[in-house]
Amino acid sequence: KAGVTQTPRYLIKTRGQQVTLSCSPISGHRSVSWYQQTPGQGLQFLFEYFSETQRNKGNFPGRFSGRQFSNSRSEMNVSTLELGDSALYLCASSSSMGGYTEAFFGQGTRLTVV
Amino acid sequence: AQTVTQSQPEMSVQEAETVTLSCTYDTSESDYYLFWYKQPPSRQMILVIRQEAYKQQNATENRFSVNFQKAAKSFSLKISDSQLGDAAMYFCAYSGGATNKLIFGTGTLLAVQP
Repeated sequence: KAGVTQTPRYLIKTRGQQVTLSCSPISGHRSVSWYQQTPGQGLQFLFEYFSETQRNKGNFPGRFSGRQFSNSRSEMNVSTLELGDSALYLCASSSSMGGYTEAFFGQGTRLTVV
Repeated sequence: AQTVTQSQPEMSVQEAETVTLSCTYDTSESDYYLFWYKQPPSRQMILVIRQEAYKQQNATENRFSVNFQKAAKSFSLKISDSQLGDAAMYFCAYSGGATNKLIFGTGTLLAVQP
């Protein structure tokens, strides 16, 4: 069974640009969550999707948005990039909703904003 | 708001020895779940062990076990017979309610000395 796939693995963007990151969950998983990981702020929750609906959103500005498609694949978009958006973005998929459900993580997308 | 605290930024253990990583959390919820995740240099987060708050029995997974003290809101991870492959960043995480959102601690970097 294929794991969680995040593309691209590495990305370099310029301030002011926008970026789209993609996450393909494990086959059959309908829940996708996104996290931002930085040395200063650690791991912070961005959003959570289940069956194409955003179920939860973290404390991030409106420049951060996401969506989930009918095949459960998810994308997150960051507009008007700032230097502080440089981070490792992790996607996790789960088979269902509920706190005990195991989250399977992808290898992340390393975004560098210059 | 729920918080997770890991007070040990770095730990070191000799191969084959035992090490305990500390984690405390704060919540007003009665139904929640606690996790330990491992993040090796490859960056992919892997679930090590999980605990349901309503279960008094401590979870164990092979060489990994937890000491869950609900009243003290403490959730430590014990690694027995440490192996070189255990070297990684370890994150304690909390999840509550009907959500897959994880709240992470700041992590403990574990080094295993041969």
